Amino acid sequence: LAKTTQPISMDSYEGQEVNITCSHNNIATNDYITWYQQFPSQGPRFIIQGYKTKVTNEVASLFIPADRKSSTLSLPRVSLSDTAVYYCLVGPSGSGNTGKLIFGQGTTLQVKP
Amino acid sequence: GAVVSQHPSWVICKSGTSVKIECRSLDFQATTMFWYRQFPKQSLMLMATSNEGSKATYEQGVEKDKFLINHASLTLSTLTVTSAHPEDSSFYICSASGIYGYTFGSGTRLTVV
Repeated sequence: LAKTTQPISMDSYEGQEVNITCSHNNIATNDYITWYQQFPSQGPRFIIQGYKTKVTNEVASLFIPADRKSSTLSLPRVSLSDTAVYYCLVGPSGSGNTGKLIFGQGTTLQVKP
Repeated sequence: GAVVSQHPSWVICKSGTSVKIECRSLDFQATTMFWYRQFPKQSLMLMATSNEGSKATYEQGVEKDKFLINHASLTLSTLTVTSAHPEDSSFYICSASGIYGYTFGSGTRLTVV
């Protein structure tokens, strides 16, 4: 299973764009990159998933370079409610397969007013 | 969307007693369910993987006789912490894998006194 490396913590201010980069040098050919958000005393919540290039949904964008050895989660115009821990995972997509997900240390994002 | 219900959300028990935690996939069939444990300010640690109708696969260092997992149907998995001790106090989170990918429960805060 590919190991991921993320910054332990990041600070930002309301209204700014936040980019969190994750390194996954040993990503396998069939691995997907998935980001989760976790608030205190809650289970992780899916944010976005991608395999290559760029993926965008209503809450975030995910940029994946051609070599797939890293990825960047982009949160546009963060608010105080985006203060949370963000996890980058590489592994099975989840849809139709049953491989296990291993969590790394995550990035604690603190959004300030 | 996919919903995983975890119950109870918190429980306090006396040392030496057993506690059962339920994890239900409400609107999809979960071929595989996962159990995680999370200590304060730490990441999620995978404890075991369970498939419906078969024995769970435990991660290295997790005592199978202490953490009993039953996955009797495609929508229900249970984790029983037997003879609980204060060091078992933690946040337990389940995840279910199905057609919607991986969905996490809201977690169970276990406090052993």
